[in-house]
Amino acid sequence: DTGVSQDPRHKITKRGQNVTFRCDPISEHNRLYWYRQTLGQGPEFLTYFQNEAQLEKSRLLSDRFSAERPKGSFSTLEIQRTEQGDSAMYLCASSLGTGLGNEQFFGPGTRLTVL
Amino acid sequence: AQKITQTQPGMFVQEKEAVTLDCTYDTSDPSYGLFWYKQPSSGEMIFLIYQGSYDQQNATEGRYSLNFQKARKSANLVISASQLGDSAMYFCAMREDTGGFKTIFGAGTRLFVKA
Repeated sequence: DTGVSQDPRHKITKRGQNVTFRCDPISEHNRLYWYRQTLGQGPEFLTYFQNEAQLEKSRLLSDRFSAERPKGSFSTLEIQRTEQGDSAMYLCASSLGTGLGNEQFFGPGTRLTVL
Repeated sequence: AQKITQTQPGMFVQEKEAVTLDCTYDTSDPSYGLFWYKQPSSGEMIFLIYQGSYDQQNATEGRYSLNFQKARKSANLVISASQLGDSAMYFCAMREDTGGFKTIFGAGTRLFVKA
């Protein structure tokens, strides 16, 4: 395992359904981030974990969104009652250390399409 | 508030030529880090280069260099000797020391390398 993995890579769902995405970070990385990227835009920060603690959440993360990182390893992002506006690429990243320059390693993303 | 501006939606460069991708930023935090990422059509974000706000010299990584002009709040990416594989989206990003590890991305510049 040499990188961040995400599952599934693609998800098509109907409006109103719940979806859950999984992210497996690089094994020794204690920090994990979720971003959302819509077409033609840069990634937007959603939330951040240090080990199992969720330390920051963006205002973009409405109450329909919830993220967990049990035991400080993999993380899940759940979207309840999906809306068409939730269609986007959901990116996960991980990093090690506390410095400003610590590189975030990104996964391949999960592309969500809400019909 | 943090803000990243990339004013070039698209850029063309001839193979083997150098190209500069512009990035300006806005922050009131004296301690911050600036990043450039490449996103090929496959979707994965690839870290290219990092510049700390207190770094005295411009960062370089192989064919990538960052032209950091602190007073102008600009952090332009220079790619030398462009290759066809450099065709991709390029994102400038910033993280503030007091920003809680949240990384803010610009809207990106799509680079097209012509043979």
